[in-house]
Amino acid sequence: GQQVMQIPQYQHVQEGEDFTTYCNSSTTLSNIQWYKQRPGGHPVFLIQLVKSGEVKKQKRLTFQFGEAKKNSSLHITATQTTDVGTYFCAANNYGQNFVFGPGTRLSVLP
Amino acid sequence: EPEVTQTPSHQVTQMGQEVILRCVPISNHLYFYWYRQILGQKVEFLVSFYNNEISEKSEIFDDQFSVERPDGSNFTLKIRSTKLEDSAMYFCASSGRRKFFGPGTRLTVL
Repeated sequence: GQQVMQIPQYQHVQEGEDFTTYCNSSTTLSNIQWYKQRPGGHPVFLIQLVKSGEVKKQKRLTFQFGEAKKNSSLHITATQTTDVGTYFCAANNYGQNFVFGPGTRLSVLP
Repeated sequence: EPEVTQTPSHQVTQMGQEVILRCVPISNHLYFYWYRQILGQKVEFLVSFYNNEISEKSEIFDDQFSVERPDGSNFTLKIRSTKLEDSAMYFCASSGRRKFFGPGTRLTVL
């Protein structure tokens, strides 16, 4: 079955540093979504990427979908303590089933 | 912002008992989902529901699980005979243009 991997598993950064998490799928995707989950909270939808090579920005967050539509990245510029949480990618292959990656847990030290 | 609600927030049950987890999706959404997340692990897709029937389900969603939309607003997940390994956070979600997750029900099977 489809496998979705994310690296790194954990990332500790100093406030103000940048952060990137990478998502890789074993198969070509129709689209990919990114979610943030705060400790003790539920996943919150951030964005969906559909097109090959697509880049989308939300304030300090930059999302990219690879040209081959098998990988994606989320980059946060100048992290803040409010960025703390686990970032999941969720990969879709032309169905309703989004396969979530294992997540990258981000800690931001003030 | 619209929200998905779930009840109860925490359910404790004995192994072998039946549980029903309840969700109220966002009113104008057409797709409904159940996911589960074992503590500290990734979010796993269980089932999607559209037009009053299951549109897709995962391998986890075996004969012990069922979903229902008993009226125009509620969406339920039933586990017929709970096992210890069913202990997890169960998230309901609904989608229109984007997917919204509910706050989750923490199921503890003793």
